[in-house]
Amino acid sequence: AQSVTQLGSHVSVSEGALVLLRCNYSSSVPPYLFWYVQYPNQGLQLLLKYTTGATLVKGINGFEAEFKKSETSFHLTKPSAHMSDAAEYFCAVTSDTGGFKTIFGAGTRLFVKA
Amino acid sequence: DSGVTQTPKHLITATGQRVTLRCSPRSGDLSVYWYQQSLDQGLQFLIQYYNGEERAKGNILERFSAQQFPDLHSELNLSSLELGDSALYFCASSAGRVSYEQYFGPGTRLTVT
Repeated sequence: AQSVTQLGSHVSVSEGALVLLRCNYSSSVPPYLFWYVQYPNQGLQLLLKYTTGATLVKGINGFEAEFKKSETSFHLTKPSAHMSDAAEYFCAVTSDTGGFKTIFGAGTRLFVKA
Repeated sequence: DSGVTQTPKHLITATGQRVTLRCSPRSGDLSVYWYQQSLDQGLQFLIQYYNGEERAKGNILERFSAQQFPDLHSELNLSSLELGDSALYFCASSAGRVSYEQYFGPGTRLTVT
């Protein structure tokens, strides 16, 4: 069975500082990995995805993530945080076991201090 | 704007009642997914439909059911409602059977009193 673990339910950074949100997954077959962002009172929006190919993927709003198979990780980073990045971030995994169901992590709320 | 629409935006009802949530996918998308988001359970996958047929099932209660109509819109029916069913219900859509990426609607907030 596949699963997703996001380390840290809350992360706080200063504006301009590095953002690092951690995600580890478990999957018995090659996974497809995603990061979504949810702003207050809104639905989820896809930030970036990894399916195959290059392990460093770039997404919207300056975010990127690196797929590390040996570490079963897909951490999300952004070099310099902006106040508008304050939101909840969800890591998700899909694989072809169990009918391509997408499993979401518990989410990490990012706070950005001025 | 993701292109996915959900109605109603808010719904308040009493225990034991039945409600229907509606979702219209993005133009051209054939798959519709339903999710429940609550503080204690997080974001839970309920069910997926692809081109009118059930494709995958998650943690959907027997009191809940869904369907996808020929025009591809979908409805989630929740019956015998309990206080614990209070949550945000999201619909998402994707182009094919496999969800390489999903586009989420704004959600329906259900409050059961």
